[in-house]
Amino acid sequence: QLQLQESGPRLVKPSETLSLTCTVSGGSISSSSYYWGWIRQPPGKGLEWIGTIYYSGSTYYNPSLNSRVTISIDTSKNQFSLKLRSVPAADTAVYYCARSDVPYGAVGTGYFDQWGQGTRVTVSS
Amino acid sequence: EIVLTQSPGTLSLSPGERATLSCRASQSVSSSYLAWYQQKPGQAPRLLIYGASYRATGIPDRFSGSGSGTDFTLTISRLEPEDFAVYYCQHYGTSPLTFGGGTKVEIK
Repeated sequence: QLQLQESGPRLVKPSETLSLTCTVSGGSISSSSYYWGWIRQPPGKGLEWIGTIYYSGSTYYNPSLNSRVTISIDTSKNQFSLKLRSVPAADTAVYYCARSDVPYGAVGTGYFDQWGQGTRVTVSS
Repeated sequence: EIVLTQSPGTLSLSPGERATLSCRASQSVSSSYLAWYQQKPGQAPRLLIYGASYRATGIPDRFSGSGSGTDFTLTISRLEPEDFAVYYCQHYGTSPLTFGGGTKVEIK
């Protein structure tokens, strides 16, 4: 059974970099059938897509965050990671990693069929 | 960017009743690339429907999705106690993918 687990600091200071890692177990992150994504949810609000990565390293980012985001993948560790730079308080949210099923011909974006439990990150001094 | 508008914001119903949730897109969603999720407090979203009408693995058949183009619907035929939650629609296939603002289904 596939499981995803987010890890990383729960508290980040404004203007610093938020870094999270998603560890995948019960399946290979190198599968050509799936992509891997990050989604966040501010307290009491809806869901926002951050970006998606393929095992080859191809990345797709939300343009609203594109200048501050980097998603990377480490197939040897079965992990993928998120870095969000220069964070303001508005980046406080629960951050989820998830597996994405992307239809053939789609532009690196799909639906998310398996999710991690989420990790709450607070941006505060 | 495709904007998804969900209505109503809140739906107050009793167990056993039928729930009809709407998701309207600001432009046509190609190939019916529309998904629905259920989220309960403190939990991650759970995929219910993809491709507008295909149930995800393990999803009860009381959940059904329909629609195409710009108008999509999630129907719960008979609400069970565990179905009271927030539901989100999401389009995919083009970037950026976006989510609707959610519909809360609460117990009347």
